[in-house]
Amino acid sequence: AQSVTQLGSHVSVSEGALVLLRCNYSSSVPPYLFWYVQYPNQGLQLLLKYTSAATLVKGINGFEAEFKKSETSFHLTKPSAHMSDAAEYFCAVSAVTGNQFYFGTGTSLTVIP
Amino acid sequence: GAGVSQSPSNKVTEKGKDVELRCDPISGHTALYWYRQSLGQGLEFLIYFQGNSAPDKSGLPSDRFSAERTGGSVSTLTIQRTQQEDSAVYLCASSLALSGYGSYNEQFFGPGTRLTVL
Repeated sequence: AQSVTQLGSHVSVSEGALVLLRCNYSSSVPPYLFWYVQYPNQGLQLLLKYTSAATLVKGINGFEAEFKKSETSFHLTKPSAHMSDAAEYFCAVSAVTGNQFYFGTGTSLTVIP
Repeated sequence: GAGVSQSPSNKVTEKGKDVELRCDPISGHTALYWYRQSLGQGLEFLIYFQGNSAPDKSGLPSDRFSAERTGGSVSTLTIQRTQQEDSAVYLCASSLALSGYGSYNEQFFGPGTRLTVL
């Protein structure tokens, strides 16, 4: 069975600072991994996904994530935070042979001007 | 084109009443998911529809919950005899499940229905 752990339910960074949102997964086989963003009163939007190609995945809005099998991690980063990045971020995992997605509990990102 | 739409956006009901939540997926998307998002928790998978296959109902929390998808398009999630613990945001997502499994493809989410059970 798959599961996802997001460390830190709330993260605050200064505008222009590095954003690092942590995600660790549990899976018996290499899964597919996703990061979604949810802006207030909106549905979730895909930021990026890992599907067993390149381990460093680049997404929209300057975000990227690196799949590290040895650490079972898929942390999300952005070199320089912008005020518009303030949102809820969800990491998700799915099995290669399956239909279900398992989401983490989310990390709320606050950007301080 | 239009994204995933859900209605109503907000629903307030009394304990014990039945509610129906509607999802209109993106046209042509064969896969449709329902999730429940409770305060402080992640998204909880409820049910998955893929084409004409039997739905994956393994996430439904009780027999008070049911869902159907008519004509491979619109889906309705029904909660019977609502309880206060059913209060949550119910999210619908659709995707192009081009592969045999749905797990590869990006899901497109609707804005959700916020259900409040008094």
